[in-house]
Amino acid sequence: EPEVTQTPSHQVTQMGQEVILRCVPISNHLYFYWYRQILGQKVEFLVSFYNNEISEKSEIFDDQFSVERPDGSNFTLKIRSTKLEDSAMYFCASLGLRHNEQFFGPGTRLTVL
Amino acid sequence: DAKTTQPNSMESNEEEPVHLPCNHSTISGTDYIHWYRQLPSQGPEYVIHGLTSNVNNRMASLAIAEDRKSSTLILHRATLRDAAVYYCILRPISSGSARQLTFGSGTQLTVLP
Repeated sequence: EPEVTQTPSHQVTQMGQEVILRCVPISNHLYFYWYRQILGQKVEFLVSFYNNEISEKSEIFDDQFSVERPDGSNFTLKIRSTKLEDSAMYFCASLGLRHNEQFFGPGTRLTVL
Repeated sequence: DAKTTQPNSMESNEEEPVHLPCNHSTISGTDYIHWYRQLPSQGPEYVIHGLTSNVNNRMASLAIAEDRKSSTLILHRATLRDAAVYYCILRPISSGSARQLTFGSGTQLTVLP
C-alpha cells in the first residue's frame, strides 16, 4: 500500500541553524500539507500546497518557514533560523484523490538545542 | 469551523466494543464528520467519515444522530492496537474539500488486556 515517507526521523540542531525536513507524498496525490505537534499538545496546521504554490498557511507559518516541491516527488519544509520553540514533531500529509482522506507520514522529530 | 466536544479519555476491555462519542451541536448542513486516530509516536490516520447516514468500513462504524448534533465512532472489537487518541473533526465542504484538518484534543482510548 502506498504511504507518505519522511526523512529524517529525528533531527537535532542548534538554535539559529537552518533545517530542511523532507517528505515524499503518495505519487499521484496533488495536495500536500505540513502539520506540527509540540509534545503533549494538539496537531496544528502549518501550510497547504497545491499546483506548486501555497494554498493556505496558518499564523505559525511565518517568514522563517518555507515550502518547496523541488522535483516531482519531494516536498520540503525549511526552517531558516530555528528557535527553541520550533522543537516538535512535524508531519507531512497528502490528500487522496477522492479528497476524503489525508494520508500522514510518520513524522520528523525536530529538537532545537 | 464548527466545534466538536469529546471526552478526554475512555477505557475499554480488549475484545469488547467501544463507543466513542462526539458532540457537534453547531454543525452546519454541509459539514462532513471525519474521524482520525493517532497511535503512539505515529502520525494521524484516517478512520472514517460521513455526512448523514451511518457508515461502515473495515476499521469502524460511524453512527450519526438524526439531528447531526452528535456522532459515535464504534470499534466493534477493541484490540490493544486500537489504543490511540481519536479525533472527531468537522470538514466544511463549502470551503473546499482540500482544506486542512483542524485537530482538537481528542479522546485518549486505553484498551485493557
